[in-house]
Amino acid sequence: NAGVTQTPKFRILKIGQSMTLQCTQDMNHNYMYWYRQDPGMGLKLIYYSVGAGITDKGEVPNGYNVSRSTTEDFPLRLELAAPSQTSVYFCASSYSGGRADTQYFGPGTRLTVL
Amino acid sequence: SQKIEQNSEALNIQEGKTATLTCNYTNYSPAYLQWYRQDPGRGPVFLLLIRENEKEKRKERLKVTFDTTLKQSLFHITASQPADSATYLCALPGGFKTIFGAGTRLFVKA
Repeated sequence: NAGVTQTPKFRILKIGQSMTLQCTQDMNHNYMYWYRQDPGMGLKLIYYSVGAGITDKGEVPNGYNVSRSTTEDFPLRLELAAPSQTSVYFCASSYSGGRADTQYFGPGTRLTVL
Repeated sequence: SQKIEQNSEALNIQEGKTATLTCNYTNYSPAYLQWYRQDPGRGPVFLLLIRENEKEKRKERLKVTFDTTLKQSLFHITASQPADSATYLCALPGGFKTIFGAGTRLFVKA
């Protein structure tokens, strides 16, 4: 099992450019999440999905979009990059989304917007 | 809304000593509490979950306590090693409602 994989590991964007962060999990988990982590701050939820075809906004969704066409993949799209989107992005998955559920994280993508 | 507070100052200890990290939360008492480990440049990795009716949970050199009266969890690493150096995150789990603390950085010196 590879677990949760993310690509790319690093990326530098110019203001106004677009990109897609890829996330794939091979654990057949229903729930998938996108977080951003800024220095000194806890993980902030951007979007989440409870299954293929079902997505919803988290705490900080502005400037991002997601889709979930398969159980395995949950890409995150940045349409018009802004310096405020400079952050480390983590994708995670879990089996049930319940209160005792464990989240499995990918290695992260470090994004810089200049 | 529910918040988690973890000491933002790094904890420096000598190898072989016990490291104790604190997690305080506000508002309602959660049914569960988790601890994750995060190494530099990597995603968090789950370590332990403790339920509200469990006062203490152990896993090898790790021990977690959960005091719902104080609204606090303590995370202990006994006989600490340099390999234990990492950031430790406290979390109140709930799927898309999971709240993560900012973490406390631990440095264990040889």
